[in-house]
Amino acid sequence: DSGVTQTPKHLITATGQRVTLRCSPRSGDLSVYWYQQSLDQGLQFLIQYYNGEERAKGNILERFSAQQFPDLHSELNLSSLELGDSALYFCASSVAPTSGDTQYFGPGTRLTVL
Amino acid sequence: QQQVKQSPQSLIVQKGGIPIINCAYENTAFDYFPWYQQFPGKGPALLIAIRPDVSEKKEGRFTISFNKSAKQFSLHIMDSQPGDSATYFCAASNQAGTALIFGKGTTLSVSS
Repeated sequence: DSGVTQTPKHLITATGQRVTLRCSPRSGDLSVYWYQQSLDQGLQFLIQYYNGEERAKGNILERFSAQQFPDLHSELNLSSLELGDSALYFCASSVAPTSGDTQYFGPGTRLTVL
Repeated sequence: QQQVKQSPQSLIVQKGGIPIINCAYENTAFDYFPWYQQFPGKGPALLIAIRPDVSEKKEGRFTISFNKSAKQFSLHIMDSQPGDSATYFCAASNQAGTALIFGKGTTLSVSS
């Protein structure tokens, strides 16, 4: 158990809908990362937050957004969902946004868009 | 543009064998190279990591070899066991962008 929690574990929805994925980092970790894992693209970085502030963006679509709240939990919002958004979404956390600081991954949320 | 290339895509070895997974990177600013292990239905977990100022690092049965001039690094699993059957990802990051850039992954199967 990494100490990172993600809810829900599974999510099934229809095209055009909007969903929210939630992540609670390990106790003491201030930095949160979101990654998307799909069969064709592998593990891809979406967005990073540090202590409530957006720090870096990766291959995140404009239909996706995220935020980190004062209690440090984070939410990833996916809207106008398309079939191709079906994937595993992982949250990871680290103490600080420093290269070399271990990123601990949660169990993921499996999103299926029908 | 993929910045970390990983091979092979899949690997089958017998128990006790030494599977080797290779990765190559392009960005010379990368300064941290971790390997993650992922079991089905689970999130990736850090296995071992190395910095470019070290040519080799060993933790238990897992060894990373690092060749800075060739911009390559590899994972060796000594005395592999069926429990090592998993997907392995190499990754890289740097101070400018601490998010991990992952290779495509290698699915390892260790037969008993």
